[in-house]
Amino acid sequence: DIVMTQSPDSLAVSLGERATINCKSSQSVLHSSNNKNYLAWYQQKSGQPPKLLIYWASTRESGVPDRFSASGSGTDFTLTISSLQAEDVAVYYCQQYYSTPLNFGGGTKVEIK
Amino acid sequence: EVQLVQSGGGLVQPGGSLRLSCAASGFTFSSFAMSWVRQAPGKGLEWVSSISGSGGTTYYADSVKGRFTISRDNSKNTMYLQMNSLRAEDTALFYCTKDLDFRHFDWGQGTLVTVSS
Repeated sequence: DIVMTQSPDSLAVSLGERATINCKSSQSVLHSSNNKNYLAWYQQKSGQPPKLLIYWASTRESGVPDRFSASGSGTDFTLTISSLQAEDVAVYYCQQYYSTPLNFGGGTKVEIK
Repeated sequence: EVQLVQSGGGLVQPGGSLRLSCAASGFTFSSFAMSWVRQAPGKGLEWVSSISGSGGTTYYADSVKGRFTISRDNSKNTMYLQMNSLRAEDTALFYCTKDLDFRHFDWGQGTLVTVSS
């Protein structure tokens, strides 16, 4: 099984400042057949279902603001919110979809400082 | 517009059974894999099970294998999760999702399953 580890567990960032979340997989999620990283990021606001933000490690889902960006390959990945807005307060999860079980990271709670 | 309408949650005693449903609309249901993802109260997300568009291939988390069965009826645009031998640790909000390459693109509103005596 591929274990996903996120850090930090939580962070508080001032409005307009940068927030950075890390995600590490216990095995590479880079598929050699297509050179794609099978890594997604989800945002879950309080009382709502999660929402897909990013897939293939760095591709933004349609409608996701460009202040959200992601990078990484193999086993190490990062989600960055370049200028934190009030509506970005949420828990963010990474998930590998390289193989079942489709494990999620433990989540990172982002708050306003 | 994609809609995933969930039903079937509730309170059940340990050892009991429950069947969740997820009625889909707004897309060609049989063309997409679907999944169940759960979230225990105050906890993170846990993938439970996935099923291919045809229904011919299924996948399960070890924590539910042998107790839960995922299925779908493409003529009714509905996916199901039959849950047997329920345990207290199965208490969670269960989400159904519409998938592409195992990415969970769209999510239902969730249905709460509480296992308690």
